[in-house]
Amino acid sequence: DGGITQSPKYLFRKEGQNVTLSCEQNLNHDAMYWYRQDPGQGLRLIYYSQIVNDFQKGDIAEGYSVSREKKESFPLTVTSAQKNPTAFYLCASSIDGQGVNQPQHFGDGTRLSIL
Amino acid sequence: AQSVTQLDSQVPVFEEAPVELRCNYSSSVSVYLFWYVQYPNQGLQLLLKYLSGSTLVKGINGFEAEFNKSQTSFHLRKPSVHISDTAEYFCAVSAFNDYKLSFGAGTTVTVRA
Repeated sequence: DGGITQSPKYLFRKEGQNVTLSCEQNLNHDAMYWYRQDPGQGLRLIYYSQIVNDFQKGDIAEGYSVSREKKESFPLTVTSAQKNPTAFYLCASSIDGQGVNQPQHFGDGTRLSIL
Repeated sequence: AQSVTQLDSQVPVFEEAPVELRCNYSSSVSVYLFWYVQYPNQGLQLLLKYLSGSTLVKGINGFEAEFNKSQTSFHLRKPSVHISDTAEYFCAVSAFNDYKLSFGAGTTVTVRA
């Protein structure tokens, strides 16, 4: 079955530590996205990639970094500069980045907590 | 830029009763509209979408939504809910030819027997 796999499901970060969240898709989608979800706030876009080796900042990119070296993979690094990283992180993909080819398909998320 | 307002943060409802979740949007350009459902500790699943054409859109699990351009609304309805419909529901909007989805804050539906 095609889909999006996020790992790990739960992750704990120590102060001053960088952590990387994995996102892999086998849907052959060009576009991939990272969202942060906090209670009562809906989803906010962190980073977006329309094609391999290209990505753009979303609304809340500070303290995060990404790479897109392969079409299937879009890892997110939460750096020590992100002072409030506790949240539920969702990865998504779509056929391409144009609105007409929405919708986005979502993984099951990674819950990040601070030790 | 687009924005979405979900008018109810929590909606309790009895099993087999109807439910309506309200969504209003703001945009200076034409938009696409979506409803997603999220079960606990899971990702989002698409319920239905409006791209063009008929303003009444039918989705999965017996849900439907009506696009009202004059009122800039896209309310979600189900005539008879089940316990399994307990979840959080998100309304989202994107402008034509735009990658970005703007989400509402979500509506938590709790179905009671």
